[in-house]
Amino acid sequence: GAGVSQSPSNKVTEKGKDVELRCDPISGHTALYWYRQRLGQGLEFLIYFQGNSAPDKSGLPSDRFSAERTGESVSTLTIQRTQQEDSAVYLCASSSHGTQLGNTIYFGEGSWLTVV
Amino acid sequence: DQQVKQNSPSLSVQEGRISILNCDYTNSMFDYFLWYKKYPAEGPTFLISISSIKDKNEDGRFTVFLNKSAKHLSLHIVPSQPGDSAVYFCAASAKGNTPLVFGKGTRLSVIA
Repeated sequence: GAGVSQSPSNKVTEKGKDVELRCDPISGHTALYWYRQRLGQGLEFLIYFQGNSAPDKSGLPSDRFSAERTGESVSTLTIQRTQQEDSAVYLCASSSHGTQLGNTIYFGEGSWLTVV
Repeated sequence: DQQVKQNSPSLSVQEGRISILNCDYTNSMFDYFLWYKKYPAEGPTFLISISSIKDKNEDGRFTVFLNKSAKHLSLHIVPSQPGDSAVYFCAASAKGNTPLVFGKGTRLSVIA
């Protein structure tokens, strides 16, 4: 597609439920990133996929968070047993060659998650 | 420990004047720096970047300056326009396929 597409755009869920957030990167982009932004905070790195390499999961805040990517296409971020502190906008981004010098990442519009 | 710091959460500037947004970093391995702009309810969009081999990069009204010895970079917008009102994020990356590290952002308000 023309840009990074995320769904759902908004999600309200009850505490303790699981949620899945989806990201369709820009076609041909080998690298995919998940970030989140909680209220009043900056962009917090969660996980990074680059081609067939093992993903960099160093930013995942707990074992309730996991992400998968099918080849070089769609990615799903799953949050199990959601907590109120998980409320945030979850941003997906993609780039053509990973984080090499001069490469730019392009963000989707985000999935706004509210845990009540 | 924040590796990328934007110490001013907000900035107000009059239309036509210069806006200067500042960013400091602590990781000496960072060699590529970017600025992103974010409007409400939208994802961040890339604005301008600079590699560590340069100390200045200019693109129209936007100029980024890098002072490696001070581990400091700044974004200058001149002349500022009301449409520039947004949150600006500074980001940095190091060699070796490491993800971008972002600051907390500075909210710029350009007043007509």
